[in-house]
Amino acid sequence: DIVMTQSPDSLAVSLGERATINCKSSQSLLYSSNNKHYLAWYLQKPGQPPKLLIYWASTRESGVPDRFSGSGSGTDFTLTINSLQAEDVAVYYCQQYYSTPITFGQGTRLEIK
Amino acid sequence: QVQLQESGPGLVRPSETLSLTCNVSGGSISRSNYYWGWVRQSPGKGLEWIGGIYYTGTTYSNPSLKSRVTISVDTSKNHFSLKLRSVTAADTAVYYCARPGITGTTHWFDPWGQGILVTVSS
Repeated sequence: DIVMTQSPDSLAVSLGERATINCKSSQSLLYSSNNKHYLAWYLQKPGQPPKLLIYWASTRESGVPDRFSGSGSGTDFTLTINSLQAEDVAVYYCQQYYSTPITFGQGTRLEIK
Repeated sequence: QVQLQESGPGLVRPSETLSLTCNVSGGSISRSNYYWGWVRQSPGKGLEWIGGIYYTGTTYSNPSLKSRVTISVDTSKNHFSLKLRSVTAADTAVYYCARPGITGTTHWFDPWGQGILVTVSS
């Protein structure tokens, strides 16, 4: 199984500042045949299901604000939230879909400082 | 716009079988090329992929659960179902059904159902 490890487990960022969440996979998520990284990001608010933010490591889902961006390659990926808003308080998860079983990171809790 | 809704008992006794159904609206399971999926979330293990099913009935599941899991589909009712046998307290979780974002056996999930809390307790 591919193990997904996020860091930090939690962080507090001031409104308007940048938040950075890291995700490391135990093996490369790059498929050389299509040059795509099989990595997605979600946010989850209390009592709600996860909401898709990013797929293919850096493609923003329709309707997701452009302050959310994904980057990275190989085994190391980053979700960046620019100009943090109050509504961004949530738990963020990465997920690999390079191979089955599909696996998720343990989550990163983002709070307002 | 596709929507999914889980249904089933919220309480299951240890050693019994957990049974859930996911009703799909706004889209047809049989006219899609997706492996419709199940994911659960427990405090102890976070998000865990359970498995998925194609409209033809082809399934695949997490090896960690495979021996206890059955996933089925009823295209006439536009729903798919999950059965998890011999449950223990460790199976207490919020269970989600979800549609993949792309075809194939590996994918992200979007959208998700609202989730249903299933507690295993006597």
